[in-house]
Amino acid sequence: GENVEQHPSTLSVQEGDSAVIKCTYSDSASNYFPWYKQELGKRPQLIIDIRSNVGEKKDQRIAVTLNKTAKHFSLHITETQPEDSAVYFCAASETSGSRLTFGEGTQLTVNP
Amino acid sequence: SAVISQKPSRDICQRGTSLTIQCQVDSQVTMMFWYRQQPGQSLTLIATANQGSEATYESGFVIDKFPISRPNLTFSTLTVSNMSPEDSSIYLCSVSTPYEQYFGPGTRLTVT
Repeated sequence: GENVEQHPSTLSVQEGDSAVIKCTYSDSASNYFPWYKQELGKRPQLIIDIRSNVGEKKDQRIAVTLNKTAKHFSLHITETQPEDSAVYFCAASETSGSRLTFGEGTQLTVNP
Repeated sequence: SAVISQKPSRDICQRGTSLTIQCQVDSQVTMMFWYRQQPGQSLTLIATANQGSEATYESGFVIDKFPISRPNLTFSTLTVSNMSPEDSSIYLCSVSTPYEQYFGPGTRLTVT
């Protein structure tokens, strides 16, 4: 089955700096790669996703890149703000409608 | 988008008892999933709830321990049977649309 590895497990940055979280996956059949943000005590919320026919996607301060050959994808957050502090999970699946395999999560702390 | 509710939101249960968690969606969806999130951990898929047929369980999860019902396209239940303290977790249902997966608010279960 699919295996998703995520690094780093914790990341601390100063407000205004950039943050990068990286994930690798094992199953070449995976074509859908979402990123979820989970604030303490809340449900995971989708922040951005990318499909295998696209190499990069951007939404304001958030971007995701995908290298399907190397089986890795990354989340980039620019101009970080304290409200970006949360746990971020990457995931992989065959389609947007199928079962997700999650990475272990990254605790991002943005220091004012 | 899909609006998902879960009941109960939290519960404290005695070892050896069972708890049934309900998941209600405000629109018909094909795919519903049940995940477990142990304290400080990532999300692990328990099973896919199939409408009109038996659920599909992931490795390490069995029907006798986690029976699932899916009577229609808007509702599902997960039962945690013969509970032990190791079952203390957050249980989340999720639904998929053609565009993304949404998560319910979760049920926080503590087994004493």
